[in-house]
Amino acid sequence: AQSVTQPDIHITVSEGASLELRCNYSYGATPYLFWYVQSPGQGLQLLLKYFSGDTLVQGIKGFEAEFKRSQSSFNLRKPSVHWSDAAEYFCAVGVTGGGNKLTFGTGTQLKVEL
Amino acid sequence: KAGVTQTPRYLIKTRGQQVTLSCSPISGHRSVSWYQQTPGQGLQFLFEYFSETQRNKGNFPGRFSGRQFSNSRSEMNVSTLELGDSALYLCASSPEEGGCIQYFGAGTRLSVL
Repeated sequence: AQSVTQPDIHITVSEGASLELRCNYSYGATPYLFWYVQSPGQGLQLLLKYFSGDTLVQGIKGFEAEFKRSQSSFNLRKPSVHWSDAAEYFCAVGVTGGGNKLTFGTGTQLKVEL
Repeated sequence: KAGVTQTPRYLIKTRGQQVTLSCSPISGHRSVSWYQQTPGQGLQFLFEYFSETQRNKGNFPGRFSGRQFSNSRSEMNVSTLELGDSALYLCASSPEEGGCIQYFGAGTRLSVL
């Protein structure tokens, strides 16, 4: 079965600083990979996805993520964080032929200091 | 297009009762999935329905059930509520048969007293 690890439970960055959130997955083949963001009391918003091809994917709100097969990683990055980016971020994996079931990591809570 | 709509947004129930949550997917989406989110267990997959058939099921007891109607709207039912069922229940719809791209609703916050 697939699994997702987000090793950082909380991260604090200053506004304007760069950001990298880590995500490692476990799956025998190349999975579908996603990053979602959740603001308090809200559902999940899709930031970006990776299916195949170019390993650097661009998403909404200035986020990007890089798929590294050798490290089984899919880290999320943003060059300059804005105060409105404070939220919880979830990495998720889906499998080919498995319908639309996602396995989520435990999430990383991002705090932005002004 | 309207997004995924979940009703109600908040529910308070007592132990032993049952509850039904509703989800209207994005127009044209035939797949609806349900997730439970709790502080202790995180986001856990409950089940997925596609064209009125349950296609995937997570590791939850039989008290958790669902169904999907011909218009793709879905309902989730929890019977004999337990305190541990208190959670945010999220519904997601998908535009494809696979591919796992899912769009989430705002959720239903269930509190069991």
